[in-house]
Amino acid sequence: SAVISQKPSRDICQRGTSLTIQCQVDSQVTMMFWYRQQPGQSLTLIATANQGSEATYESGFVIDKFPISRPNLTFSTLTVSNMSPEDSSIYLCSVQEGQSNQPQHFGDGTRLSIL
Amino acid sequence: KQEVTQIPAALSVPEGENLVLNCSFTDSAIYNLQWFRQDPGKGLTSLLLIQSSQREQTSGRLNASLDKSSGRSTLYIAASQPGDSATYLCAVRPRGSYIPTFGRGTSLIVHP
Repeated sequence: SAVISQKPSRDICQRGTSLTIQCQVDSQVTMMFWYRQQPGQSLTLIATANQGSEATYESGFVIDKFPISRPNLTFSTLTVSNMSPEDSSIYLCSVQEGQSNQPQHFGDGTRLSIL
Repeated sequence: KQEVTQIPAALSVPEGENLVLNCSFTDSAIYNLQWFRQDPGKGLTSLLLIQSSQREQTSGRLNASLDKSSGRSTLYIAASQPGDSATYLCAVRPRGSYIPTFGRGTSLIVHP
């Protein structure tokens, strides 16, 4: 199965700043996703990262706040912009390999705290 | 809209017990169902994937079953160990979509 490296693993940031999270996969994958998990909650999909085109955002998430890049089939970044304490969450990169009947895999996540 | 419910929300058991974690979903038109484990502050580790045409999957001490008609899946953990302590999440992928719906998880503590 795909090995996913996510950086940074955690960070503490000041209000109003931005942070870019990187997701590197050891093989080419069709689908890459970004999720948010707020404290004590389940996962919420932010967007699907599309290679070579703009990401597809879920309801409640916008590109200005969460710009996403996906320059190739093994790498993606998520930026959390103009952060506020409400953005304190775990952010998770996920991939869907090859055939659609394969399992979904996750990175170790980025634990983000905003002061 | 698919809704996924996991019961119980939390469970604390002594080591050695056999456990059943439940996952129910409202729309039976699913592509597959996946069980994950999440350790505190970490990402998700895939445990078992059951395709819609399958009834169960097994891996070591874990067995997951699927009953699409009743909208239920169970994760059975045999001879639980303290290392099994984690949150277990169920994710249901609908037919025709890559986007699964996650339950809120069952937080499991196995004490020595």
